[in-house]
Amino acid sequence: SYELSQPPSVSVSPGQTATITCSGDALPTQLAYWYQQKPGQAPVLVVTKDTERPSGIPERFSGSSSGTTATLSISGVQAEDEADYYCQSADSSGFYLVFGGGTRLTVL
Amino acid sequence: QEQLVESGGGVVQPGRSLTLSCEASGFTFSRYALHWVRQAPGKGLEWVAVVSYDGGNEYYADFVKGRFTIFRDNFKNTVSLQMNSLRAEDTAVYFCTRMRGSDGAFDLWGRGTMVTVSS
Repeated sequence: SYELSQPPSVSVSPGQTATITCSGDALPTQLAYWYQQKPGQAPVLVVTKDTERPSGIPERFSGSSSGTTATLSISGVQAEDEADYYCQSADSSGFYLVFGGGTRLTVL
Repeated sequence: QEQLVESGGGVVQPGRSLTLSCEASGFTFSRYALHWVRQAPGKGLEWVAVVSYDGGNEYYADFVKGRFTIFRDNFKNTVSLQMNSLRAEDTAVYFCTRMRGSDGAFDLWGRGTMVTVSS
């Protein structure tokens, strides 16, 4: 079955830039989405269609994609950004969806 | 206010069945594909299943195929997940989520319902 790979953890100091990658063989043809999840809460969409930021999401969140890797960047990280981040996409057919394993962002 | 509210979770023995429900309000339910996503305790998100806006198409993750069935009622604004032959590894919080047609993103989530499979 298709898988997306993320680093288990990323740590940054406040004000720095956090970069979280997501690797998958179908990413050249399938869009990537990024979700933020805080403990005990449902996920929240922070990047859609590889690079677009939904309404209400701070400008410091941005996405990019190249080849088999999608990337979520958070510039000027704030303490409130500490959370688990998941990428999501689909297999090459587009019908079967998948989440990456998740990356825990720690703000030092 | 747009909302999804799951119900039906609980403790069930291995091999038994359970049906989860998700009731939608505040939006035109019949315009959206609806999905179930689960999260085992301390683990990541797993996509489980999707039903198309009209109920005509369903797709399942390999680990539930043949055991789970997703279905919807566009008159009652509900989507359900019938889970048969439950296993310990099905223990998770099950979220109902809406897929936005304009971009394919999950833009609305319920708070989830907990399913525990244990003898």
